[in-house]
Amino acid sequence: ETGVTQTPRHLVMGMTNKKSLKCEQHLGHNAMYWYKQSAKKPLELMFVYNFKEQTENNSVPSRFSPECPNSSHLFLHLHTLQPEDSALYLCASSQDENRGYSGNTIYFGEGSWLTVV
Amino acid sequence: EDQVTQSPEALRLQEGESSSLNCSYTVSGLRGLFWYRQDPGKGPEFLFTLYSAGEEKEKERLKATLTKKESFLHITAPKPEDSATYLCAVQASKNSGYSTLTFGKGTMLLVSP
Repeated sequence: ETGVTQTPRHLVMGMTNKKSLKCEQHLGHNAMYWYKQSAKKPLELMFVYNFKEQTENNSVPSRFSPECPNSSHLFLHLHTLQPEDSALYLCASSQDENRGYSGNTIYFGEGSWLTVV
Repeated sequence: EDQVTQSPEALRLQEGESSSLNCSYTVSGLRGLFWYRQDPGKGPEFLFTLYSAGEEKEKERLKATLTKKESFLHITAPKPEDSATYLCAVQASKNSGYSTLTFGKGTMLLVSP
């Protein structure tokens, strides 16, 4: 069991549906992330939340809507998706401070496999 | 723009046949270079962080090294259970307060018995 849990693990939805992905981290971290992983492409950062505040939105379409109610929980609300949005969606967390000299390790969950039909 | 290139894309080894995976990077001030292992259908599992050129880290049959332009993941006497995709990522010093990583596409390693 990892310190970052995601539900559901698999989701099939129609293009007109509304669904949500849920993520919870048990590591006491203060930053949480959504990444998208598609076949043959590198992981793509979607959103970053640091101390519950959204600090980065990587030009993600508005049909993806994140929500971070506290430092331990992160949601990704999905609506009117397209088939090309089918991918593995990964949640991650890290303990981040303003360190200029060292990196901060990001820990990933197992991912949610999304299929849009 | 930060870039990470991993080679080869895929590597097939016989059990016990040592080899190396390469990760070349360009980044505006390296804050950390990360290696992850990803099994099919699962999220990436953290392996190593390297911070400065010349640094080395080891874990079982894996050893990661870092220069100013690239990192290598050396696999000594691999076993079938080492089969996975290995991901390399860099974190740039321009980001503060949180970690954002730029990933390569990964190297898919298959170790045959």
